Amino acid sequence: AQRVTQPEKLLSVFKGAPVELKCNYSYSGSPELFWYVQYSRQRLQLLLRHISRESIKGFTADLNKGETSFHLKKPFAQEEDSAMYYCALDNQGGKLIFGQGTELSVKP
Amino acid sequence: NAGVTQTPKFQVLKTGQSMTLQCAQDMNHEYMSWYRQDPGMGLRLIHYSVGAGITDQGEVPNGYNVSRSTTEDFPLRLLSAAPSQTSVYFCASSSPTLEQYFGPGTRLTVT
Repeated sequence: AQRVTQPEKLLSVFKGAPVELKCNYSYSGSPELFWYVQYSRQRLQLLLRHISRESIKGFTADLNKGETSFHLKKPFAQEEDSAMYYCALDNQGGKLIFGQGTELSVKP
Repeated sequence: NAGVTQTPKFQVLKTGQSMTLQCAQDMNHEYMSWYRQDPGMGLRLIHYSVGAGITDQGEVPNGYNVSRSTTEDFPLRLLSAAPSQTSVYFCASSSPTLEQYFGPGTRLTVT
C-alpha cells in the first residue's frame, strides 16, 4: 500500500545546528515526492519537490530509492525555520498522500 | 490572482447539523481536492476532482459529499455533522504534474 512515514513528531534543535527531518515512503512505481511547510496558522506551501532538485531556503532533499527515503536537510537551522513540515507522495490525479508531519522547533 | 480561497474560516456546528464549506480557485486548475488535518495524522484526502463533472472518493469520504459543476468551485458538504468531523479542512488545486496550491483552511468544531 502507498504510505508516507515521518517517524519524528517533534524535532527540537538550537539555532545554527544541522537539521534532518526523516521521511520514508512505500510506493509501487516511480515516486514523485514533495516537502510542504506550514508556518504557524498559515496555509501549506510547497518547500521543494524531488524532480526539481533545487535548494529552497537552504533546505535540500535527496530521493534514495534503495532506502525509500526522502529526508529533508539543512546545515544550519534558523529560528524562522520553526514550522510544521509534511512529506507527501503524489498518488496521481492530484491526490497527495501525506506523512504525519514533523514539528521543527529551532531554539535561540 | 486570489489563488485558492475558502469560506468560512471558522465554524461551530451542533451534532446533526449540515453545512457546506466553500472552495474556489482562479488559476484555471483542473484538479481540486479536499483534505482534513488532524493532530498526529497529517492530512488525509476526503474527495478529489480531476475536472468539472468528475469527482471521486479519497481516503476518508464518509459523511461528506462533493460536486464540481464549474472548474472554479469545489464545495464540500457535511450531511449530518458528528464530533469526529471536528478538524481543519484544506482545499487544494493544481494542474497535472504541477504543485498543489492550498487554501487558508476552515477550522470546524462540532459539539
